[in-house]
Amino acid sequence: EIVLTQSPGTLSLSPGDRATLSCRASQSVSTFLAWYQHKPGQAPRLLIYDASNRATDIPARFSGSGSGTDFTLTISSLEPEDFAVYYCQQRSNWRGTFGQGTKLEIK
Amino acid sequence: EVQLVQSGGGLVQPGGSLRLTCATSGFTFSHYALNWVRQAPGKGLEWVADISGGGRTFYSDSVKGRFIISRDNSNNTLYLQMNSLRAEDTAVYYCAKASVVAVAGSDFWGQGTLVTVSS
Repeated sequence: EIVLTQSPGTLSLSPGDRATLSCRASQSVSTFLAWYQHKPGQAPRLLIYDASNRATDIPARFSGSGSGTDFTLTISSLEPEDFAVYYCQQRSNWRGTFGQGTKLEIK
Repeated sequence: EVQLVQSGGGLVQPGGSLRLTCATSGFTFSHYALNWVRQAPGKGLEWVADISGGGRTFYSDSVKGRFIISRDNSNNTLYLQMNSLRAEDTAVYYCAKASVVAVAGSDFWGQGTLVTVSS
């Protein structure tokens, strides 16, 4: 079973700051990794698919990188609406495992 | 416009059954894999089950043998039949549609429906 470990658990930053979120897989998932943003009371929102491709209507400040076991989601300059929980999900096998999430909170 | 509209949640006793429905529109339903994801209170997202466009099914270990994912391609509807429910199945359940351009990524989601398993 592939385990995804996200770090940090919580990230405290201010609007305008750069955010760097990490997702590490217990074994290679190639580039079959997605990132989601999740806010309370809302459905998750796809940000990045296949490791580095921005989904439709996602602002350019969001970017994804990595392959194999190490992946990064970068938000170049935080907007107030970016404070949420972020999850990575792998799809290298038929199990769509999620990481445990990183909470991005306002400092 | 792609839409996924969920129904069927509610309160059920331990050991009971419930069926969730995800009615879809705005895309060629039979062409896409679909999945169910849940979030227990205070916890993160958990993948539950997938069904391919051709009907092949996959389950997490936590629900395998108790839940059944199915689809009706004539009515553009996804289902999750949940049997032998346990307190730990209490969660908001989401249906989602796989992206057309991605291996990894679900691009449209239902609004979520709460399932509470309690006596």
